[in-house]
Amino acid sequence: QKEVEQNSGPLSVPEGAIASLNCTYSDRGSQSFFWYRQYSGKSPELIMFIYSNGDKEDGRFTAQLNKASQYVSLLIRDSQPSDSATYLCAVGFSGGGADGLTFGKGTHLIIQP
Amino acid sequence: NAGVTQTPKFQVLKTGQSMTLQCAQDMNHNSMYWYRQDPGMGLRLIYYSASEGTTDKGEVPNGYNVSRLNKREFSLRLESAAPSQTSVYFCASTRGQPQHFGDGTRLSIL
Repeated sequence: QKEVEQNSGPLSVPEGAIASLNCTYSDRGSQSFFWYRQYSGKSPELIMFIYSNGDKEDGRFTAQLNKASQYVSLLIRDSQPSDSATYLCAVGFSGGGADGLTFGKGTHLIIQP
Repeated sequence: NAGVTQTPKFQVLKTGQSMTLQCAQDMNHNSMYWYRQDPGMGLRLIYYSASEGTTDKGEVPNGYNVSRLNKREFSLRLESAAPSQTSVYFCASTRGQPQHFGDGTRLSIL
């Protein structure tokens, strides 16, 4: 059984600070890792994906992957109120997740103005 | 470019009724997926189609059937709806890249 664990939150962060979201996964064969943002009542929107150990940066977002520890994180720098949402960590067994993704339950992030 | 289109957006059914949820993508993606999202449960994979002509069960397939009608369309059918199938259903597609989601169908079974 593939499992993805996230702290449900809420995680409250002051505006302008760094928000750190964490995720662990159970299947060592996992190959692809994704972060989605979901606003209330909306569909998941892709933020970042990472396939290799290390860091991947895109604007204010940095994804970090440590396969030995089975750990993936998302850092949001200069947090804005518009970043307030639920962040979903998802893991795929094959590259790109062609066989479907396993999702965590999400972390509710609140950016305080 | 519409992306992934789901119909209907909302539906209320009575227990025992049947219904088909439709999904179509215009991105020439090979793989398509159906997920359900329940409060406190996250997104769970129901069925997927890695390519046209193939379908496979996901984590929670019981009570559902699917049809990959062609490369663009992937439908999800509830033959005899049950209250436990009240959920938000998302269709997604990909072509070896991260999945793109439709806007969802909110389904209530009374």
